[in-house]
Amino acid sequence: QQKVQQSPESLIVPEGGMASLNCTFSDRNSQYFWWYRQHSGEGPKALMSIFSNGDKKEGRFTAHLNKASLYVSLHIKDSQPSDSALYFCAGTGGYKVVFGSGTRLLVSP
Amino acid sequence: GALVYQYPRRTICKSGTSMRMECQAVGFQATSVAWYRQSPQKTFELIALSTVNSAIKYEQNFTQEKFPISHPNLSFSSMTVLNAYLEDRGLYLCGAPTGSSQNTLYFGAGTRLSVL
Repeated sequence: QQKVQQSPESLIVPEGGMASLNCTFSDRNSQYFWWYRQHSGEGPKALMSIFSNGDKKEGRFTAHLNKASLYVSLHIKDSQPSDSALYFCAGTGGYKVVFGSGTRLLVSP
Repeated sequence: GALVYQYPRRTICKSGTSMRMECQAVGFQATSVAWYRQSPQKTFELIALSTVNSAIKYEQNFTQEKFPISHPNLSFSSMTVLNAYLEDRGLYLCGAPTGSSQNTLYFGAGTRLSVL
């Protein structure tokens, strides 16, 4: 059964700084991975998907996947106060999508 | 674009009573719907995966007797929490893959259940 370890639990970065979030997965058969962002009072929204090894860049956000190491990361460049939210990694585990425990990011102005 | 609406956004029920929540897919066909519960500690638990014209697959610790789900068409699903108790508190999320983008799940805003 897929298990997801996400770190850090919380993170404070200054405005304009770099935020780095990490996840490791247990299921070697996982093929698809996502990063979700959840603002207070809302449901989680898919931020980025990554399905191939390597880096995927979308604007200020870069996701990295290493399937051999079962490792996914998200880097947010030039962090803005509006990036403050809960971030979850997710990956397939058989027929279902399994989520990490979340990283609470606070970007201080 | 694809949107998922959930209703109600918040609900309070007395311990031992039941409440029904709804999920509406707009702009796409929700062939399958995943119901999750997000605990007050923010962890996600998959309750069940529902596919139109197919049996609903419940996860361990969740049963049809406690969380009956209806998924009558490609735009609507509902779930009831029967005989709710304190441990059923949380944010109930409905997510559906749009069919594009490798089945990325799009979630509604959730129904927050409080139990008195």
